[in-house]
Formats: sequence, C-alpha cells, structure tokens
Amino acid sequence: EIVLTQSPGTLSLSPGERATLSCRASQSVTSNYLAWYQQKPGQAPRLLMYGASSRATGIPDRFSGSGSGTDFTLTINRLEPEDFAVYYCQQYGSSSFTFGPGTTVDIK
Amino acid sequence: EVQLVESGGGLVQPGGSLRLSCAASGFTVSSNYINWVRQAPGKGLEWVSVINSAGSTYYADALKGRFTISRDNSKNTLYLQIDSLRPEDTAVYYCAKSRGSSRLAAALDCWGQGTLVTVSS
Repeated sequence: EIVLTQSPGTLSLSPGERATLSCRASQSVTSNYLAWYQQKPGQAPRLLMYGASSRATGIPDRFSGSGSGTDFTLTINRLEPEDFAVYYCQQYGSSSFTFGPGTTVDIK
Repeated sequence: EVQLVESGGGLVQPGGSLRLSCAASGFTVSSNYINWVRQAPGKGLEWVSVINSAGSTYYADALKGRFTISRDNSKNTLYLQIDSLRPEDTAVYYCAKSRGSSRLAAALDCWGQGTLVTVSS
C-alpha cells in the first residue's frame, strides 16, 4: 500500500500570498494518478486536481498542480478568503487507493 | 443532477454489524468507480474501499476482512457492510464517485453528505 506524506502540517498565510503544499509517496505513483481535494469544516471534500496537474471542473486557475513519480505539489496563487481549508492528496494508481494526512491552510 | 445520498448510520454496540447504503442519481453506479471514504471526528480522510465498473472490489489493507462493498445495479445503489464493529470505526462515512469508468478517471468528483457511524456501548 502506498503511503502518502504531506507537508507542512499547517501553513499560516495571509490572503494574497502563495501557498505551496507538498505530497510525497512511499513509492512511485503509477501514471501520476494523484488527486488533490479541499475540505472545509462540516463539508464533504471537493476535487481540485486530478492526474497531478489537471484542474477539475469549475476550479479557478489560481490552483495548479505539478510533480511526478513520488513528489507532487499543489500551488495556490493569491490566496482568497475561501481558500483557507484542509487539503488532501490521494493516489489512485494502485489497487488500494490512499489519502495523505492533510495540510491545513489557515489565516495568519 | 448527479447526487449521492448515504444512509444507514447510527449508534451501534461494539461487535455489532451495520450496512450503509449510498443511493445514486444522475449517473449509473455500474459505469463508475464508487468508493467509501471515512473520516473519524477531527481526523483526516481514510480511504476504505472501491468497486470499479467491472465489479472488482478493493479494500484498505488495514480494513480487509470486516468490510464488504457491493452494489445493486437495479437500484443504482452502493452498499458497505461492516462487521465486528470497533470504537475506532466511529466516523462519518462518505460515498464518492469517480470521474469516469477507468483507472485514468478514478479521482473522486462527487461526494455524498456522509452518514455518521458511532460505535459505543
């Protein structure tokens, strides 16, 4: 089973700043089948990115994803107030899908 | 409109069993990967299981043996049977559908609102 590690655990930033979130896999993720989700309190997660770098429907272009193999990054340019949330990466390249532990982006 | 509605959660004693349901509308469950994901109170997301468009099933390594995923195509509904429940199974259980019918499209683009399972005596 692929283990995902996310860093940092918490990122404290101000609106307008850039957020850089990391997701590292214990082994290579097949075909970069790596997704990112955003979750706000009391809500179900929302798909942001799939295939490491493709934005899901309706996701603004300030969100971008990159990486391959075992190292992936989610970048949020010019943080908006609604972007403060928890972000999870997930791999779906192996038979057993797994999530990372999450990164909280909070207001500094 | 694509929608997933979970039901079947509640308070259960340790050692008991529960079957969760996930009713789908706006798409066909047999044409997608449908997953169960759980979230313990105040914790992160934990992937539980998936049934793919071919009907193959997969489980998280730590949960194999007590969880069984299935679907009823005629009712367009997904199920998760949980046996020998433990306090650590207490969580909100979400069902979520994939973007499409292949592994390439297996990221989860639609989620239900979740159903809470509480395991306590």
